[in-house]
Amino acid sequence: KQEVTQIPAALSVPEGENLVLNCSFTDSAIYNLQWFRQDPGKGLTSLLLIQSSQREQTSGRLNASLDKSSGRSTLYIAASQPGDSATYLCAAVSSGNTPLVFGKGTRLSVIA
Amino acid sequence: GAGVSQSPSNKVTEKGKDVELRCDPISGHTALYWYRQRLGQGLEFLIYFQGNSAPDKSGLPSDRFSAERTGESVSTLTIQRTQQEDSAVYLCASSTRDRREQFFGPGTRLTVL
Repeated sequence: KQEVTQIPAALSVPEGENLVLNCSFTDSAIYNLQWFRQDPGKGLTSLLLIQSSQREQTSGRLNASLDKSSGRSTLYIAASQPGDSATYLCAAVSSGNTPLVFGKGTRLSVIA
Repeated sequence: GAGVSQSPSNKVTEKGKDVELRCDPISGHTALYWYRQRLGQGLEFLIYFQGNSAPDKSGLPSDRFSAERTGESVSTLTIQRTQQEDSAVYLCASSTRDRREQFFGPGTRLTVL
């Protein structure tokens, strides 16, 4: 059974800092891995999707990497801004028609 | 439509009543998922539809929960005889068959008094 863990649970950084959020998963037979952002009281916004054959994906200031052999993914945020403050969720889809398995998220606060 | 839509956005009900939650997926998305997020908890999978295949109901917490989907369009999640522990945000997502990038709706916040 796939389990996804995110560390740290919360993170506070000053504006402008580069930061890394960590995600680990137990079953390396994943189909893809997705990073989301969730603002308080809102739904989930898809940030990046990494297919199992890929090593990384980039979108603007965000870069996500995937290492299936070690069961890890990281989300790198460059030059953080107060508007980046949100909860970041990592979720994995195992092979076959299975739903996303979510981590519990990292709550990020970027202080101006 | 442009994105996944859900209705109602908020629902307050009394314990023991039945509720129906609706999800409109992105046009052309064959897969539709329901998840639940209770306060302070992670997202829990409830049920998954893929085209005309039999749905994966393995995440439904009890037989009070059921869901239907007509073809590749609208889905309704029904909770019968609601209990206070059913209070949560219910999220719907849809995806294509191949890429499986899931796009989420804004959710329905259900409060059972």
